[in-house]
Order: sequence, then C-alpha cells, then structure tokens
Amino acid sequence: GDSVTQMEGPVTLSEEAFLTINCTYTATGYPSLFWYVQYPGEGLQLLLKATKADDKGSNKGFEATYRKETTSFHLEKGSVQVSDSAVYFCALRDDKIIFGKGTRLHILP
Amino acid sequence: DTAVSQTPKYLVTQMGNDKSIKCEQNLGHDTMYWYKQDSKKFLKIMFSYNNKELIINETVPNRFSPKSPDKAHLNLHINSLELGDSAVYFCASSPPTGDWDHTEAFFGQGTRLTVV
Repeated sequence: GDSVTQMEGPVTLSEEAFLTINCTYTATGYPSLFWYVQYPGEGLQLLLKATKADDKGSNKGFEATYRKETTSFHLEKGSVQVSDSAVYFCALRDDKIIFGKGTRLHILP
Repeated sequence: DTAVSQTPKYLVTQMGNDKSIKCEQNLGHDTMYWYKQDSKKFLKIMFSYNNKELIINETVPNRFSPKSPDKAHLNLHINSLELGDSAVYFCASSPPTGDWDHTEAFFGQGTRLTVV
C-alpha cells in the first residue's frame, strides 16, 4: 500500500541555519504531496503542496519539489527562525491522505 | 469563521464510559475524515466518508462508530472507553479526489481525549 517515510527527529538547529527534512513516498498512482506543520497545542496546517511531477510548492520561505524519479518531496528552508519550531508532516493523497511519522524541529536562538 | 470545527476540545472521562466528538465543516467539501494522533505524534487515519457514505475504515475497533447525518458533519462515537483510547482525535475535510487543484485536507483543532 501507499506509504510516506520521513526523517526521524528531533532536529535541532540554530537560528538562520539551513533546513532539510527528507521525505520519500511509495504510491501506486500519481499522488498529490503535502507538507503540513503542527505548532504546539494546535491542529495541522497546510504548509505547501505539489500536485504533479516537478511542481515546486513554496510558502513562508519553505520549499519542496515533487521528484517522481526519486519519489521524494524534501522540505527545505534557507534560514530558519525560532518561530519555525514545530512538528512537520509529509503526506500524500491518492485515494486517502497518508502521513509520515512527523519530524520535530527545534530552533535555538 | 472556523472552517473545520470539532467539539469538545478536551474530554476527560472514566474507563467504560461512552462519549461522542462532533465535527462540522463549512467548506462545502464532500469528504471528511477522522484521524488519531498518539503521544508520539503519529497520525493514523481511522475513517473517511464521502457524501455521507463510509469509504475507508482502517481496522478500527467496533467500539468506534462514525456517523454522518449530512455531508457537513461527521461525528465520532466511542463506546466502552479504554485507557489506550487516550489520544488527540482530529477531524478533517477535503474536496473529492478528482479535484486535482484542491486536494489538501483542512483540519480541526483536535480533541484531546484522556481516559482515566
């Protein structure tokens, strides 16, 4: 069945560091891909999405490119802030929405 | 206006009790979901409904029974609550699968269920 694998955390970085959170997927069809973010005590918010191969999703300085050849959708940000501390989920949608296990990100001032 | 709202936000109850969590969406979406998030933040889909019809039931115990009175509402009823049911439950909604430009799900704020 479909699945999403993302790097385990926690990931701890200093402010202004470069961020990469790896995500790979397995799907029989051509899924849409997402990154969601969950701040402490809150629900999930869509951060960015890509619906077809080579699409790049971007939002709030975060980017991810849908790579069909490597079945990947890695999340990147050039300069992280303390306010980016949260749990990040990679997800795909085929007939249902499936999430990776989440990566907790800590940004130190 | 809240797009996906669920109530209550917190629920503390004793083992063996029956409880319900309500969910409503005002986005006009056809598809609604229930997810369970455990203490390690792992999100697992429980149910998916499309236009009031159950389309996904992910081997959830029979004690969990979703009910969709109309396509804007998907409630979750839990019988004979157990300690292991303690988790955060999220309701979500999304456009149907064929709407390729708008495929993402919108989530409620979650219901933290604690069984004591």
